[in-house]
Amino acid sequence: EAQVTQNPRYLITVTGKKLTVTCSQNMNHEYMSWYRQDPGLGLRQIYYSMNVEVTDKGDVPEGYKVSRKEKRNFPLILESPSPNQTSLYFCASSFAGAVQPQHFGDGTRLSIL
Amino acid sequence: AQSVAQPEDQVNVAEGNPLTVKCTYSVSGNPYLFWYVQYPNRGLQFLLKYITGDNLVKGSYGFEAEFNKSQTSFHLKKPSALVSDSALYFCAVRSWDRGSTLGRLYFGRGTQLTVWP
Repeated sequence: EAQVTQNPRYLITVTGKKLTVTCSQNMNHEYMSWYRQDPGLGLRQIYYSMNVEVTDKGDVPEGYKVSRKEKRNFPLILESPSPNQTSLYFCASSFAGAVQPQHFGDGTRLSIL
Repeated sequence: AQSVAQPEDQVNVAEGNPLTVKCTYSVSGNPYLFWYVQYPNRGLQFLLKYITGDNLVKGSYGFEAEFNKSQTSFHLKKPSALVSDSALYFCAVRSWDRGSTLGRLYFGRGTQLTVWP
């Protein structure tokens, strides 16, 4: 089954404790992206990647890191999480090309205490 | 600046009645427009898109959307709503910046659709 898989689905942690949210897709997509969803703000893009070793900042990259060492994986790293990063996070992927719709994972709900 | 607006946070409609979820956009150049739906505890799912051509596009689950260039709108419609259509709907526009060949995708804030039986 074609899918985007995020792990973990839920995480409660404390300020300053490094964490990684993994994202993997099995559709051979070139483009991958991370979003955060907050009430009243919709989805905001954190980082995106157009292919292996090619990443760029989205609208809200501060406090986050990403890497794209393999085509299928695009982990989101919070080196020193803070409470304002408490949010619902989505990973998405698509084939390259502006007309391609994105496929989303089911989300990761992070709570930073 | 590129932006997408969904002027209604909530839309309520009775089952069997037509529904409209509104979206307006502001981008430079020609827009590529998308609608996505989000069910509880799930990621967004693609519904339909407008790239070029016929202003009325048809998508999944009986939804359609009308592109209006003069009003910079891309409203989502369905002739007869179902209770199962109740979900959060997002409009999105792809824009070009900084020489990117792909562009970034900008989302509206979402509209919660509730269909009453």
